[in-house]
Amino acid sequence: DSGVTQTPKHLITATGQRVTLRCSPRSGDLSVYWYQQSLDQGLQFLIHYYNGEERAKGNILERFSAQQFPDLHSELNLSSLELGDSALYFCASSVASGGERDIQYFGAGTRLSVL
Amino acid sequence: DQQVKQNSPSLSVQEGRISILNCDYTNSMFDYFLWYKKYPAEGPTFLISISSIKDKNEDGRFTVFLNKSAKHLSLHIVPSQPGDSAVYFCAASAWGTGNLIFGKGTKLSVKP
Repeated sequence: DSGVTQTPKHLITATGQRVTLRCSPRSGDLSVYWYQQSLDQGLQFLIHYYNGEERAKGNILERFSAQQFPDLHSELNLSSLELGDSALYFCASSVASGGERDIQYFGAGTRLSVL
Repeated sequence: DQQVKQNSPSLSVQEGRISILNCDYTNSMFDYFLWYKKYPAEGPTFLISISSIKDKNEDGRFTVFLNKSAKHLSLHIVPSQPGDSAVYFCAASAWGTGNLIFGKGTKLSVKP
């Protein structure tokens, strides 16, 4: 158990809908990262938050947004869903603010299926 | 453009033998490299890392080698065990950035 909790484990929804994925980092970690893994692909970085502030953005679509709350949990919001958004979404947490050589610990992921 | 490449989608090894997983990168700004192991229906689990100031790091049965001039790293598992069967991801980061760039993974099968 990495200590990173992601809910829900599975989500099935329809095109055009909006969903929210939740992540609770390990105790003491201030950084939260979101990654997307599509079929047969490596993990693609989406966005990084540190202590409530956005630190970096990757290839995140404008239809996607995220935030980190004062209790350090984070939510990834996906709207106007398309079939191609079906993927595994992973959250990772770490102690550092980003840039230092730091290990990221991953949750079990949320599998999103858009029908 | 893939900055981190794992050119072997799969590898099959006999129990007790050495497993060697390879990874190439293109971005010379990468200075920290990690290997993660992933079982089905679970998130990636950290295995071992190496910074660019080293060329080798060892942790039990796992050793990572870094060849900066060739922009190549490899993970050696000795001896391989059936429980090592999983997908292995190579990842890299550049100083000043926290996000990891991942390869597509290599599926290792260790046969008894």
